[in-house]
Amino acid sequence: QVQLVESGGDVVKSGGSLRLSCAVSGFTFGDYFMSWIRQAPGRGPEWISYISSSSGTIYYADSVKGRFTVSRDNAKSSLFLQMNNLRAEDTAVYYCARMRGDSFFWWGQGTPVTVSS
Amino acid sequence: QSALTQPASVSGSPGQAITISCTGTSSDVDNYNYVSWYQQHPGKAPKLMIYDVSNRPSGISDRFSGSKSGNTASLTISGLQPEDEADYYCSSSTITNTFVFGTGTKLTVL
Repeated sequence: QVQLVESGGDVVKSGGSLRLSCAVSGFTFGDYFMSWIRQAPGRGPEWISYISSSSGTIYYADSVKGRFTVSRDNAKSSLFLQMNNLRAEDTAVYYCARMRGDSFFWWGQGTPVTVSS
Repeated sequence: QSALTQPASVSGSPGQAITISCTGTSSDVDNYNYVSWYQQHPGKAPKLMIYDVSNRPSGISDRFSGSKSGNTASLTISGLQPEDEADYYCSSSTITNTFVFGTGTKLTVL
């Protein structure tokens, strides 16, 4: 069955960096666009980035552009999010999601990131 | 990109039908038939319920339906059941190749 498992979330100080990973199974990873979506405590989801199947097309939300970098390794069925210059407002649960067209079809269970000042 | 506007809460009794609205702009909802809806129970990841305005993924009950008129999309849940109590979020693609979610609606089954 389809599984997406995020990891790498942690408590980090403001200005610090983290690298999140998303390991997938149950489908051919290289066939799908993937997204990162986050959800701050008590708030709704916020889309932050997507990457095409070949990594040729990448987009970011303005809130993370220039600080976050998405990448993927199709051979290892893994998605990554490098987060630099972290701010308190980046505190959230981070989800990876498999896309189908313009929807987020499958979600992982999320990994929590806390940025302390 | 501003969040899509949803009512903060709706409620209904078991067996009844409710509708949740999702209002956007000409830059998102009005411009594309790519509105999707997600159900989220406390402590869980969101789950896709409707995609491309009115399509249900395999395994989703036909009690869930979606529609769109202009810049407003709607999710209707008929025959309310206790397990439908959750938060619901809409989402749309935008003209800048990004995505925007709604503000969220808490559904209470009385």
